[in-house]
Amino acid sequence: KAGVTQTPRYLIKTRGQQVTLSCSPISGHRSVSWYQQTPGQGLQFLFEYFSETQRNKGNFPGRFSGRQFSNSRSEMNVSTLELGDSALYLCASSLGQIGGELFFGEGSRLTVL
Amino acid sequence: GQQLNQSPQSMFIQEGEDVSMNCTSSSIFNTWLWYKQDPGEGPVLLIALYKAGELTSNGRLTAQFGITRKDSFLNISASIPSDVGIYFCAGRNAGGTSYGKLTFGQGTILTVHP
Repeated sequence: KAGVTQTPRYLIKTRGQQVTLSCSPISGHRSVSWYQQTPGQGLQFLFEYFSETQRNKGNFPGRFSGRQFSNSRSEMNVSTLELGDSALYLCASSLGQIGGELFFGEGSRLTVL
Repeated sequence: GQQLNQSPQSMFIQEGEDVSMNCTSSSIFNTWLWYKQDPGEGPVLLIALYKAGELTSNGRLTAQFGITRKDSFLNISASIPSDVGIYFCAGRNAGGTSYGKLTFGQGTILTVHP
């Protein structure tokens, strides 16, 4: 069974630009969660989608947004990039039931110059 | 908000030694998960715990869900060089709006000297 797939793996942007990251969950998984990982802040929850609806949201500004498609694939978008947005963005999928285990992709490494 | 304190922050051990790390929470969790992350990769799930007092093993790894539901530990026995990496605990409250929202510890960096 294929794991969680994230694209692109690496990208470089400049301040003010916007970026879209993509995540394909494990087949059969209906929930997709996004996390930001930085050396100083660790793993921080961004949001979670289930059946195309945002089910939970972390404490990030509105520049961070996401969506989920009918095939459970998800995208997250960051607009008006800031230097502090440089991070590893991780996507995790789960079956979607309460308390389910999360399985992570390899991440998208974003560098903002 | 919820806080997870994971300790130690880092460990330097000799191959063959046993390792122990733990996490404590300011609130009660219904799920504890332990992950390992290699450089440049995403976290990989090692062990999942769902019940207070539960003790679960996965090869040389053993983890326990504390009776108070506010703590968990992970032990690695007879460490080998490939155990090197960052180990994270993660916890989740029950129900409500916390389905996919895990709170992560800050990680324990493990270095194993051959």
